Amino acid sequence: GAGVSQSPSNKVTEKGKDVELRCDPISGHTALYWYRQSLGQGLEFLIYFQGNSAPDKSGLPSDRFSAERTGGSVSTLTIQRTQQEDSAVYLCASHVVRGTEAFFGQGTRLTVV
Amino acid sequence: KQEVTQIPAALSVPEGENLVLNCSFTDSAIYNLQWFRQDPGKGLTSLLLIQSSQREQTSGRLNASLDKSSGRSTLYIAASQPGDSATYLCAAFSSGSARQLTFGSGTQLTVLP
Repeated sequence: GAGVSQSPSNKVTEKGKDVELRCDPISGHTALYWYRQSLGQGLEFLIYFQGNSAPDKSGLPSDRFSAERTGGSVSTLTIQRTQQEDSAVYLCASHVVRGTEAFFGQGTRLTVV
Repeated sequence: KQEVTQIPAALSVPEGENLVLNCSFTDSAIYNLQWFRQDPGKGLTSLLLIQSSQREQTSGRLNASLDKSSGRSTLYIAASQPGDSATYLCAAFSSGSARQLTFGSGTQLTVLP
């Protein structure tokens, strides 16, 4: 595609529910990152995928968070049993390969009520 | 652990002024440094990418410099315009084992007409 696409753009969910956030990277980009942007915390790294290598999950804040990338393209970030502190904007970025220019999607604003 | 700091946190200037945004990082072992722009409620737009071997990059009215030895980067905006109003973020891509972007907290720029 022309750019990184994320869906949904906004999501309101009740505390305790599971949510899935989707990222469609630029075609041909092998590296895909998830970041979280919350008030007072800035942008923090969550997880990244590089080609067929095992993902680096070192930034995931708890075991309620997981992500997968199917076929080296689309990625889904899943948050189980959402909590109010999960409310944030979740941003996805893709790179041709890790270490090259990052291109970001528009983000998914998650609100847990 | 890499830490990135941006000063000032907010800046307001009249239209037409030249201005400098500052970014400092604690670990000089970086692969590259990238400047982004973020408009309210939007994702990040890449402005300039400086590789670790480069000293500066230019795009239109923007010029970014990098001094790895002192852990500093600056973004120079010439002849500022109201449309430049946004939050500017710098991010360092570490070359160590933790290969992800570490972001500063941003400088919120307002250009007054």
